[in-house]
Amino acid sequence: EPEVTQTPSHQVTQMGQEVILRCVPISNHLYFYWYRQILGQKVEFLVSFYNNEISEKSEIFDDQFSVERPDGSNFTLKIRSTKLEDSAMYFCASSDRTSAYNEQFFGPGTRLTVL
Amino acid sequence: DAKTTQPNSMESNEEEPVHLPCNHSTISGTDYIHWYRQLPSQGPEYVIHGLTSNVNNRMASLAIAEDRKSSTLILHRATLRDAAVYYCILRGGGSNYKLTFGKGTLLTVNP
Repeated sequence: EPEVTQTPSHQVTQMGQEVILRCVPISNHLYFYWYRQILGQKVEFLVSFYNNEISEKSEIFDDQFSVERPDGSNFTLKIRSTKLEDSAMYFCASSDRTSAYNEQFFGPGTRLTVL
Repeated sequence: DAKTTQPNSMESNEEEPVHLPCNHSTISGTDYIHWYRQLPSQGPEYVIHGLTSNVNNRMASLAIAEDRKSSTLILHRATLRDAAVYYCILRGGGSNYKLTFGKGTLLTVNP
């Protein structure tokens, strides 16, 4: 069964450093998402991406964040200058269309630890 | 997105049915009711969705009240693997892109 994959599974970085989290969505999917979950808190939407541009973003997704689909398979989330409060699980998701009834498929997540 | 209310936690015994309730009194006519779950240390996973009629799939059943102000996710025979946080989410025409997660219901399954 096709699945969303994410690398690395765990990333440790120093405050102020740049990190890139990578995702490989399901191959025929066209809509891509990033969510994050701070330990013990809710899953929060960050950004959605379609046709090589951002469709929607939350207030969390400020200028420190960017997303890119550099080739036909990868979808990346970059944090330019990490802060302690960026420590969280980051989940990538994809879907084959967007509607009120389609499902999103989530990856296993990348745990980001900012020291 | 319209708000949903779920119990913080529920407990069940293995092999028994589980009924997970969700209240959504402000649901609009075009909102779909979705359920996702998150197993420990994993990403969320789609379970089921519906609009007005009850729905069944290989994972669960979804019972939707006639006035659509509440719904119930039914796991027919809980297994230890069903221990997870279950999220009830409304998705409508104005917010097609994102899923808005609440705190969900933590389901504990006892052997």
